[in-house]
Amino acid sequence: QKEVEQDPGPLSVPEGAIVSLNCTYSNSAFQYFMWYRQYSRKGPELLMYTYSSGNKEDGRFTAQVDKSSKYISLFIRDSQPSDSATYLCAMSGNYGQNFVFGPGTRLSVLP
Amino acid sequence: DTEVTQTPKHLVMGMTNKKSLKCEQHMGHRAMYWYKQKAKKPPELMFVYSYEKLSINESVPSRFSPECPNSSLLNLHLHALQPEDSALYLCASSRRQGARETQYFGPGTRLLVL
Repeated sequence: QKEVEQDPGPLSVPEGAIVSLNCTYSNSAFQYFMWYRQYSRKGPELLMYTYSSGNKEDGRFTAQVDKSSKYISLFIRDSQPSDSATYLCAMSGNYGQNFVFGPGTRLSVLP
Repeated sequence: DTEVTQTPKHLVMGMTNKKSLKCEQHMGHRAMYWYKQKAKKPPELMFVYSYEKLSINESVPSRFSPECPNSSLLNLHLHALQPEDSALYLCASSRRQGARETQYFGPGTRLLVL
């Protein structure tokens, strides 16, 4: 079993849809959870950062963490064509230990 | 400001060439990283420098040689590469706030080995 699993995609949705991206993990030592967005041929860009279980909202983006189920999600409301990218979940222990990326989900938002 | 810069943006090299990739950050971050990313895969960690000392080498072949001349600069020296080394090479730096360590990535250097 991989340490971090992510819905493989690719995922295609119409503009305006709500998108749900999900990762599961097996290592209980993970304490910090991140979502990175990577446009084609660019470096990953940090989108959201969460620590505790619960929801964190930033504009159209909501990150959700459920540590008891070892499950994290990123929701995108009112999705736009400019949201088309690969979304990578990432997680680490304290002080950045064991930092690991999920495999990524490629999202296409169609106008 | 969370900017990490990388040069060059693109590089084409033959298998006998020697070239270097450069990464720079002026955010005072204590750690810098090199990653390799193949198409449709997540970035894979190659090296970590912490306070200018190499702290992690993920069993990377010796044809890749990292160097950290100072706290703002990170180089990756390339020699006798193979075509399978063609990839996007990403640099990152990280800042620590308490027990939280956040990595910020540069735009990458797209390398093609012929």
